[in-house]
Amino acid sequence: GQNIDQPTEMTATEGAIVQINCTYQTSGFNGLFWYQQHAGEAPTFLSYNVLDGLEEKGRFSSFLSRSKGYSYLLLKELQMKDSASYLCAVEGNTPLVFGKGTRLSVIA
Amino acid sequence: DTEVTQTPKHLVMGMTNKKSLKCEQHMGHRAMYWYKQKAKKPPELMFVYSYEKLSINESVPSRFSPECPNSSLLNLHLHALQPEDSALYLCASRPRTGTNEQFFGPGTRLTVL
Repeated sequence: GQNIDQPTEMTATEGAIVQINCTYQTSGFNGLFWYQQHAGEAPTFLSYNVLDGLEEKGRFSSFLSRSKGYSYLLLKELQMKDSASYLCAVEGNTPLVFGKGTRLSVIA
Repeated sequence: DTEVTQTPKHLVMGMTNKKSLKCEQHMGHRAMYWYKQKAKKPPELMFVYSYEKLSINESVPSRFSPECPNSSLLNLHLHALQPEDSALYLCASRPRTGTNEQFFGPGTRLTVL
């Protein structure tokens, strides 16, 4: 089976850095995805990790440790428009399974 | 063309109606997916097509019937739906299963009365 855990809600201040954690247990591992989803819209692809380490893409970075079943998404220089749900999704022996998502609120 | 399109954006239907949702991509992707998403919940996988063949059906009720007429097009035929089927239906595509990016379409917001 697959189990993906991430915090339900987080709040951070504009301009700050926030780290959203994701832990997972899966049968097999073929990659971990992070998506951003604004209310009422489709998920937008942010990052993909299949090897251990940090992937950086502008203000967003994603880290993976396969031995620990752990990933995080790091958002720097937070902006109000970053208020959204962030979904961690893992592909194991079955297609992508999504965590419940972390609702991030960015406040002034 | 680097996007997945879905039509219609919104659909309201009665429980006796038959309707279809359409998804299209012209990126040459050979894996296409249907997901269902209820409010404040993550997307749930319904179907996977790989090279135009249905490879996964996640125990979806038969009132949902997928179809992949060609490598660019994916349909979801709806018949005799229930009010609890009201949700956002998302289509997604990837170059092929197991590759590193999965793009979602904007979704169809379905309301069943």
